[in-house]
Amino acid sequence: DAGITQSPRHKVTETGTPVTLRCHQTENHRYMYWYRQDPGHGLRLIHYSYGVKDTDKGEVSDGYSVSRSKTEDFLLTLESATSSQTSVYFCAIRLDQGARAFFGQGTRLTVV
Amino acid sequence: GIQVEQSPPDLILQEGANSTLRCNFSDSVNNLQWFHQNPWGQLINLFYIPSGTKQNGRLSATTVATERYSLLYISSSQTTDSGVYFCAVERGYSGGGADGLTFGKGTHLIIQP
Repeated sequence: DAGITQSPRHKVTETGTPVTLRCHQTENHRYMYWYRQDPGHGLRLIHYSYGVKDTDKGEVSDGYSVSRSKTEDFLLTLESATSSQTSVYFCAIRLDQGARAFFGQGTRLTVV
Repeated sequence: GIQVEQSPPDLILQEGANSTLRCNFSDSVNNLQWFHQNPWGQLINLFYIPSGTKQNGRLSATTVATERYSLLYISSSQTTDSGVYFCAVERGYSGGGADGLTFGKGTHLIIQP
């Protein structure tokens, strides 16, 4: 199994508060991704990173920011959480362009 | 963006049955992968198959890139095969980054004992 750890695994937060989710990998893979999974939508890409300090937006990036200061860590921040951001968030890693993707176990976030 | 359609959306089978899941995509792709999400939510990469045929035990997959579809075959189904099967594609690579996979909405498979 790919060495990917997401934290926290579960979180309940209040509307308007900032939230940071962490993805940590031990595989030294270059590419890291954040997806959200919602009923009826499958998985949708939020942001991705192709190296330290190199990030770009995905399909549903509004309301989210990311940072990658080290190869092994990719952080997803909700600056001011809203109820529409209640979701399951998955981190994925890939060794290189076009390579197989491997996913973390997910973080279930509830915004009340 | 590229569209990915999976069929059927739901499938209920008895243990031992065979099944075929389909994935259609709207544009040419450089990358296609199949995933299984088990009932505990874990996503497992089954196949990396941008073209051709691959087999792994009771599972096999075929992608016909020129006709923009892929098929996942499950033979002799077991209850542990239950879950959601996702197809994901990637069209190409822009700039320095890999754009990330675009997922279909999945096929929810239930295998009854």
